Amino acid sequence: AQSVTQLGSHVSVSEGALVLLRCNYSSSVPPYLFWYVQYPNQGLQLLLKYTSAATLVKGINGFEAEFKKSETSFHLTKPSAHMSDAAEYFCAVSPYDKVIFGPGTSLSVIP
Amino acid sequence: EAGVTQFPSHSVIEKGQTVTLRCDPISGHDNLYWYRRVMGKEIKFLLHFVKESKQDESGMPNNRFLAERTGGTYSTLKVQPAELEDSGVYFCASSQDNRVSEKLFFGSGTQLSVL
Repeated sequence: AQSVTQLGSHVSVSEGALVLLRCNYSSSVPPYLFWYVQYPNQGLQLLLKYTSAATLVKGINGFEAEFKKSETSFHLTKPSAHMSDAAEYFCAVSPYDKVIFGPGTSLSVIP
Repeated sequence: EAGVTQFPSHSVIEKGQTVTLRCDPISGHDNLYWYRRVMGKEIKFLLHFVKESKQDESGMPNNRFLAERTGGTYSTLKVQPAELEDSGVYFCASSQDNRVSEKLFFGSGTQLSVL
């Protein structure tokens, strides 16, 4: 069965520090992988997606993620956190016909 | 362009009552999805419409849940009778086509509290 795990339900970083949100997946076939972000009182928005092209994927707002097949990981990073990055982040995998989400990681940015 | 809209944003009902959630997808999006997030856990798939037809309803928890999309435009999700475990956030999403690589556009969700 396909599944997504996100290490750390809550992550806090200082403004200007590196953001690293971890995602590991299990899938019996090469999947599509996504990161979505939910800002307070808004719907989920697509940050970036991997669809079997380049393994390093760049998204909006300075985020990027690297697909590592050997580690079944798709960790999300941003070199320098901004206050506006405070939100909940969801990793998702789509092996066949539906999108399967992880439990989410809430990111806090400390001034 | 209007995004996906959901109504109401919050609903508080008592166990045994009926609640109807509404979703208006982006105009022209044939694919409409319902998801649910319970108690801060993962967002779980409920069902998928293509136009007015149910493409996949494998995630519907039980027969207390009824989803419709008459005319292939907006969709409703009715819970009757509601139980405590139905509390959570119900998200609707839409997309132009149903390729698994396609971006989903989400509404801001309906927070349902069953007391």
